[in-house]
Amino acid sequence: DAGVTQSPTHLIKTRGQHVTLRCSPISGHKSVSWYQQVLGQGPQFIFQYYEKEERGRGNFPDRFSARQFPNYSSELNVNALLLGDSALYLCASSLGAGTNSPLHFGNGTRLTVT
Amino acid sequence: DAKTTQPPSMDCAEGRAANLPCNHSTISGNEYVYWYRQIHSQGPQYIIHGLKNNETNEMASLIITEDRKSSTLILPHATLRDTAVYYCIVRPATSGTYKYIFGTGTRLKVLA
Repeated sequence: DAGVTQSPTHLIKTRGQHVTLRCSPISGHKSVSWYQQVLGQGPQFIFQYYEKEERGRGNFPDRFSARQFPNYSSELNVNALLLGDSALYLCASSLGAGTNSPLHFGNGTRLTVT
Repeated sequence: DAKTTQPPSMDCAEGRAANLPCNHSTISGNEYVYWYRQIHSQGPQYIIHGLKNNETNEMASLIITEDRKSSTLILPHATLRDTAVYYCIVRPATSGTYKYIFGTGTRLKVLA
């Protein structure tokens, strides 16, 4: 079975540009979450979506937005990129929104902002 | 803030058991303990989770103390491929937002 897939795997952008990252969850999973991982730190929660509705948002500026589509795939958008947005962006999916089923992570998109 | 405390690093000889501790002294009755590992440049990989009983799967065993204030992840026969950062996470079974709070984890190095 396919795991969580993310695209692209690597991306280089310039300050001020906009970026869209994409995620396909494991088949049957209806919840998708996004995390940012800066080098040397643990992943930090950005968003959670369940059944196309935002269920939670971490401490990130409004430049960060996301959405979930009817097929449960998701996009993370970041506007007006800053150097500090350079990080590994991880998508994770789970069966439900509030169950104890574990999150399953993709291998991320490595974003470099120059 | 992360609700777990882990040693920053550990070494283990190849073939020996690796025992990774985690302190979660403020854990609530409905919070599960989850373990993940992250190999360089990959996403975190789910290992195991539990509530209060010990759990075992093909990857590892999870031992939770009776008071649930700490747990230990056991890799029974560590290999070089087990070298990774291991994260211990607690979260409630029911929550409006399903999110993990990651700490800095334990960097396990398996030595040949």
